[in-house]
Amino acid sequence: EDKVVQSPLSLVVHEGDTVTLNCSYEVTNFRSLLWYKQEKKAPTFLFMLTSSGIEKKSGRLSSILDKKELFSILNITATQTGDSAVYLCAGASNRDDKIIFGKGTRLHILP
Amino acid sequence: DAGVTQSPTHLIKTRGQHVTLRCSPISGHKSVSWYQQVLGQGPQFIFQYYEKEERGRGNFPDRFSARQFPNYSSELNVNALLLGDSALYLCASSLVWGNQPQHFGDGTRLSIL
Repeated sequence: EDKVVQSPLSLVVHEGDTVTLNCSYEVTNFRSLLWYKQEKKAPTFLFMLTSSGIEKKSGRLSSILDKKELFSILNITATQTGDSAVYLCAGASNRDDKIIFGKGTRLHILP
Repeated sequence: DAGVTQSPTHLIKTRGQHVTLRCSPISGHKSVSWYQQVLGQGPQFIFQYYEKEERGRGNFPDRFSARQFPNYSSELNVNALLLGDSALYLCASSLVWGNQPQHFGDGTRLSIL
């Protein structure tokens, strides 16, 4: 059965710290790994990763995929209180169009 | 351009009732997917529709059904509601089937009393 496992499930850090969120996946006919940020309602898209070893970057956020180890990380540097959210990792399959989500990492940034 | 829009935003029902949730995809998007998110969990895939045909179904009972209309909007129907159906129901759209990423609406918060 396909699955996505995220760790840690929750994390509390101080503003300015750097955090690393982890995601391991087992997805049949894997196509891509996606990261979303969910604050109150709609998950908002952060990154889509399809190739190993190529870092994607957007401001203070970056992510990388290891297709050999079936693993991805999301890094956030110089965290701000506005980064407080649930970060969802998901795997997409070539077999169909569904996305398999992990449980998410709840990140809380203390001022 | 408007994003994915869902209605209603909140809904309260009692056990045994049925409910219809609605979703309008981003303009030009032809693929719509539905997810259920219970508190503290990630979204769980329910259905995916493309060009008015069901292209994927998650592990949900037959009480859950959906359809897609010619304008690519979609409805999710749930019959014989159970307490466990209380959740945030999210709709996501993408340009075509197999295209990522999917873009999500704000969801419908369904509460079953």
